[in-house]
This record gives sequence, structure tokens and C-alpha cells, in this order.
Amino acid sequence: KAGVTQTPRYLIKTRGQQVTLSCSPISGHRSVSWYQQTPGQGLQFLFEYFSETQRNKGNFPGRFSGRQFSNSRSEMNVSTLELGDSALYLCASKPFGLVRGGYTFGSGTRLTVV
Amino acid sequence: DQQVKQNSPSLSVQEGRISILNCDYTNSMFDYFLWYKKYPAEGPTFLISISSIKDKNEDGRFTVFLNKSAKHLSLHIVPSQPGDSAVYFCAASYSGGGADGLTFGKGTHLIIQP
Repeated sequence: KAGVTQTPRYLIKTRGQQVTLSCSPISGHRSVSWYQQTPGQGLQFLFEYFSETQRNKGNFPGRFSGRQFSNSRSEMNVSTLELGDSALYLCASKPFGLVRGGYTFGSGTRLTVV
Repeated sequence: DQQVKQNSPSLSVQEGRISILNCDYTNSMFDYFLWYKKYPAEGPTFLISISSIKDKNEDGRFTVFLNKSAKHLSLHIVPSQPGDSAVYFCAASYSGGGADGLTFGKGTHLIIQP
């Protein structure tokens, strides 16, 4: 079965712009999480969605937001981009009922802010 | 404040020998720990996990050990193979709050030398 699909794979944006990244989870997975990976900070948790509701949010400014649709697909949005937002953004999904671990990650979207 | 620490950014091991990757955590609320493996340009892949009620979990060549009193876990790979060369992330979570955001370490780059 298809894995977690993230689009686009690569993105270049200008400081001050906004960006929307998309994630399609594995079919049947209802929980979707987003992570930011940078060389200095490693992988940092952004937020998690389940059944269109945000269940938890990491320590990121309000410029970072997300949503989940009824088909479990998720988007994250970053407004007023800063140079420091350049990172690999990873989406992960897991099935309902699997409470712990077992996340399947997508290949990520590489965002470069210039 | 980094709650999950991987103090070795890189580790070089000869093929066929044992690779030992270490991870320390500071938050005593963490009760579930995972190891992920990541190749360049791909998302992390789940390797193995352990609950805090156990001190060892084994899966083929991979064994994870947990020392709760020392807040330390380690991943042993025996024997090491060239395909094991990747970045390994330690991650932790806790059941409080009802969400499953993972806290990751910054990763250890394992290099298996022929």
C-alpha cells in the first residue's frame, strides 16, 4: 500500500511569504503529526491532528498552523516566512488505536527561505 | 532545554562488529522510547521501541536496553552491516496529555566501515 505522501518535495520561498505543505497519510491512518528537522535542532514536534482536531502542539510560534480534512489529509501553513524556517518538514501518520509509536514518516518537504 | 540527548553526533564501526548508540533523557515522565533510522532524502523509519515497564527489547539484529534509574537507553546492532550506515534518532513520549508527540534527540550518524 502507498506510504505517506508529502507534496511538494522541494520549495523555495522568499522571506515574508507564506507557504502551504500537504500530507496524505497511509490509507486508514487517522492520526497525522508534523515535525521540523534542522541541522541545529534535530527533529522537533510541530503538531498532531486526529479526526480533524488538533490534539497537541509543540513549541512553535503562531505563524505555524495546520489542519486536517475529513479524509485525514493534512496541511500545514507557515505565514510570514523567516530565514530560520528553512528546514525539512516531515509528516507522519499512524492508525487509529495504535496508541504509542509506530509512526510512518513521509520523505518530507525541503523548504528553503531566501 | 533538550529533553532527549544523543551526545555522539557520529560513530564509526567496522562491518561485523557491534554498534552501540546511546541516548539520555531528562524527563522522568517519558514512558515509551523509540529508535528511528534515517537515510538522506528519506523520512525516518521506525526500528524498535521499548516501554518503561521493560528493560530490554530485541528484534533480530537490533536490541534496545533501557536503564530507568540512569535515564539512559542504548541501541545495539549486531552484527553491523554496510546498509546500517544512516542517522539514528532516539525518541521518547509520555502518556500524559493524551497526545503522542515524540521528542527526538538530534541523531547519531552511524558509519559502517568495510
